[in-house]
Amino acid sequence: DTAVSQTPKYLVTQMGNDKSIKCEQNLGHDTMYWYKQDSKKFLKIMFSYNNKELIINETVPNRFSPKSPDKAHLNLHINSLELGDSAVYFCASRIGTSGSRETQYFGPGTRLLVL
Amino acid sequence: TQLLEQSPQFLSIQEGENLTVYCNSSSVFSSLQWYRQEPGEGPVLLVTVVTGGEVKKLKRLTFQFGDARKDSSLHITAAQTGDTGLYLCAGALPYNTNAGKSTFGDGTTLTVKP
Repeated sequence: DTAVSQTPKYLVTQMGNDKSIKCEQNLGHDTMYWYKQDSKKFLKIMFSYNNKELIINETVPNRFSPKSPDKAHLNLHINSLELGDSAVYFCASRIGTSGSRETQYFGPGTRLLVL
Repeated sequence: TQLLEQSPQFLSIQEGENLTVYCNSSSVFSSLQWYRQEPGEGPVLLVTVVTGGEVKKLKRLTFQFGDARKDSSLHITAAQTGDTGLYLCAGALPYNTNAGKSTFGDGTTLTVKP
């Protein structure tokens, strides 16, 4: 009965590799997000999709490419991984975008370590 | 430039003490949320404040939104070890400027010792 799930939970990989992180929500929400949390715990938004359409695209290297096959899934593919990509990546969902006071539900995070 | 600044960044207190965490900005927000994040987990919403001057209580936690909607505070009375965690505030700019994006503060790490 997990609301927002992410896979994998841990990801250790070499510099230069390409990897994907997957996210699924079973809440029936229209909007999904990817956040990056660095070692200082700062949580920064990367992307947001509403009904499979990209609506927020922060200043993120184009090595990061989100993809939403349907409104319940939002995946993140990272090409040519760099040391600075090491962080915890959180997926989140929200019922819509018309009210930013709506609750965001976060997944458990994917801990990425690039060696 | 950090849009939302939280203070203090780290706080270590004894069980039973009171504490206040602050979230400040020069921007006006349409709403502000407080989250708590435990180690190894994602943030979990505690409260949303919308109206300037609004005060909300959640058991021993009291949240206040500044009159000008630029700042907020979280006060915990008689802290317990279970309150330990990272507290994050998140402000939402008006929808027509940001498509419902929330900007997070830099967090306050609270440790409550038994």
